[in-house]
Amino acid sequence: ETGVTQTPRHLVMGMTNKKSLKCEQHLGHNAMYWYKQSAKKPLELMFVYSLEERVENNSVPSRFSPECPNSSHLFLHLHTLQPEDSALYLCASSRNAGVSYEQYFGPGTRLTVT
Amino acid sequence: DQQVKQNSPSLSVQEGRISILNCDYTNSMFDYFLWYKKYPAEGPTFLISISSIKDKNEDGRFTVFLNKSAKHLSLHIVPSQPGDSAVYFCAARGRLYNFNKFYFGSGTKLNVKP
Repeated sequence: ETGVTQTPRHLVMGMTNKKSLKCEQHLGHNAMYWYKQSAKKPLELMFVYSLEERVENNSVPSRFSPECPNSSHLFLHLHTLQPEDSALYLCASSRNAGVSYEQYFGPGTRLTVT
Repeated sequence: DQQVKQNSPSLSVQEGRISILNCDYTNSMFDYFLWYKKYPAEGPTFLISISSIKDKNEDGRFTVFLNKSAKHLSLHIVPSQPGDSAVYFCAARGRLYNFNKFYFGSGTKLNVKP
């Protein structure tokens, strides 16, 4: 248990569906992240929020829409996805400042787009 | 272009022996390096880190070595245990280079045989 929870753990959706992924951290961190992990590829950073403000958007298609209502919660809204968007979506959090800090990851949501 | 590379997708080691996992990076502005461990169906968990001002950091059975001139880091696990079997990711960040972004390798799957 890392202090970062994600729901749902598994999601199957059609290309015309709209769904949302949820992440919650109980660590008092100020930064939250969305990553995509496809098979045999490095983790790809999607979005970074620092103090509830988006500070990084890593050229992610607009069919992925993040939302950070407060420093403990992060959402990823999904609509009109493509089959190649099937992947493990990981949420992480970290302290926002300092010389060094590590990220704490949630267990991920396994997304399948049919 | 992948800035952090783990060229060995898998490694098999006998219990009790040393496991050495390698990682190379290309960006000389990276100044902080981390290793994460990932079990199936779980998110990555932080293992050990090293700042670029050091060349070695040790935590129990885990030691990370950094060779800045070669842009290479390695993780040594001694002695290896079956519970160490997992996928290991290295990651790097540059405080003066895209502060919020961690760059991950594609992972090395370690199998420790009893």
